[in-house]
Amino acid sequence: SQQGEEDPQALSIQEGENATMNCSYKTSINNLQWYRQNSGRGLVHLILIRSNEREKHSGRLRVTLDTSKKSSSLLITASRAADTASYFCATDNMNSGYSTLTFGKGTMLLVSP
Amino acid sequence: NAGVTQTPKFRVLKTGQSMTLLCAQDMNHEYMYWYRQDPGMGLRLIHYSVGEGTTAKGEVPDGYNVSRLKKQNFLLGLESAAPSQTSVYFCASTPLGLAGYNEQFFGPGTRLTVL
Repeated sequence: SQQGEEDPQALSIQEGENATMNCSYKTSINNLQWYRQNSGRGLVHLILIRSNEREKHSGRLRVTLDTSKKSSSLLITASRAADTASYFCATDNMNSGYSTLTFGKGTMLLVSP
Repeated sequence: NAGVTQTPKFRVLKTGQSMTLLCAQDMNHEYMYWYRQDPGMGLRLIHYSVGEGTTAKGEVPDGYNVSRLKKQNFLLGLESAAPSQTSVYFCASTPLGLAGYNEQFFGPGTRLTVL
């Protein structure tokens, strides 16, 4: 079953604008991660936020985590055409004692020049 | 470093045929994973391994088998392919799987079509 659910499913913006994607999950987590996937390629890790953290920054990326609402958001500032990709959140549940990630269905971001 | 590589990149099978997908990583990672990605479904975990000689079932293991005879290799087998196994398959690895330090590194994927 899918743990994370991204919203929106698709997002279309102009270069220079900010893009915000949201992720909701159902069970308690150890950490939440965001990945990017360019068309026809493998996933690339963007950022990881631990369950005891509320906000994290990496370059033009800002991630927030609200464990009380079981939700996270990914903000990409000053977007570029090269940011066009699908973005997935993934939760690490450690249910079995081993690290496995459960991925959401993704948000498809289109940044137009 | 090549990172995570997958062989082959594309494959077309007929129903009932068998095949093995190979994943190799040169980062000395302990954990390795096999996922499938279907349109609109995100990634779903098929099987994973927490070390050489170990394997465990993920969310959708039926119809697949795996082996981890060497630390750097993780093989995914389809004994009798079915059209429902048409998908893109991704392999990934992570160093130790410790919470908070377990970003996964992905291969480029194998696109499999079962006719």
